Amino acid sequence: QKEVEQNSGPLSVPEGAIASLNCTYSDRGSQSFFWYRQYSGKSPELIMFIYSNGDKEDGRFTAQLNKASQYVSLLIRDSQPSDSATYLCAVRTSSASKIIFGSGTRLSIRP
Amino acid sequence: GAVVSQHPSWVICKSGTSVKIECRSLDFQATTMFWYRQFPKQSLMLMATSNEGSKATYEQGVEKDKFLINHASLTLSTLTVTSAHPEDSSFYICSARAASGYEQYFGPGTRLTVT
Repeated sequence: QKEVEQNSGPLSVPEGAIASLNCTYSDRGSQSFFWYRQYSGKSPELIMFIYSNGDKEDGRFTAQLNKASQYVSLLIRDSQPSDSATYLCAVRTSSASKIIFGSGTRLSIRP
Repeated sequence: GAVVSQHPSWVICKSGTSVKIECRSLDFQATTMFWYRQFPKQSLMLMATSNEGSKATYEQGVEKDKFLINHASLTLSTLTVTSAHPEDSSFYICSARAASGYEQYFGPGTRLTVT
């Protein structure tokens, strides 16, 4: 089982709709969770991080964490074509000082 | 804040030569820096973790004698690809983390092409 799992996609969402990206992790003791966005040919850019159960909102983005289910998600409201990118879920596990990345979900916003 | 730079942004070198890539944290002190490699359409692969003043910790399968990492100061880490081969051609990305936080911030990456 991979430490951080994401559906590779592509996930196609119409412009203006809500895009929902999901991620599961295997280490129950993980404490910190991150979402990065990566455009083709560019390096990842940190969008949000979340440490506590529940929702965290920042503009059009909402991160949701459920530690009991070992599940973290990212919602993008009012999706724009510029949101088309690969979204990487990352988890800092309890035993490591490094962040483990998922393989990413490719999101495509269709006009 | 939290800006990480890399230099060069792209480099072409001949097979057998060595290439040095610099990673700098511009507005914070990075106690830990990470080096990743990414092949086209693939995910990030962590190569090594370096703490300032200590030897780097390499991931399994990464040759430490081929990928030399130095983290001599709190704002600078370097990756040297020694005796480069065409299969080393890739996108190399560094990431930095401050002592006070959990977040990692990425540099813009260096595209290496070995001919």
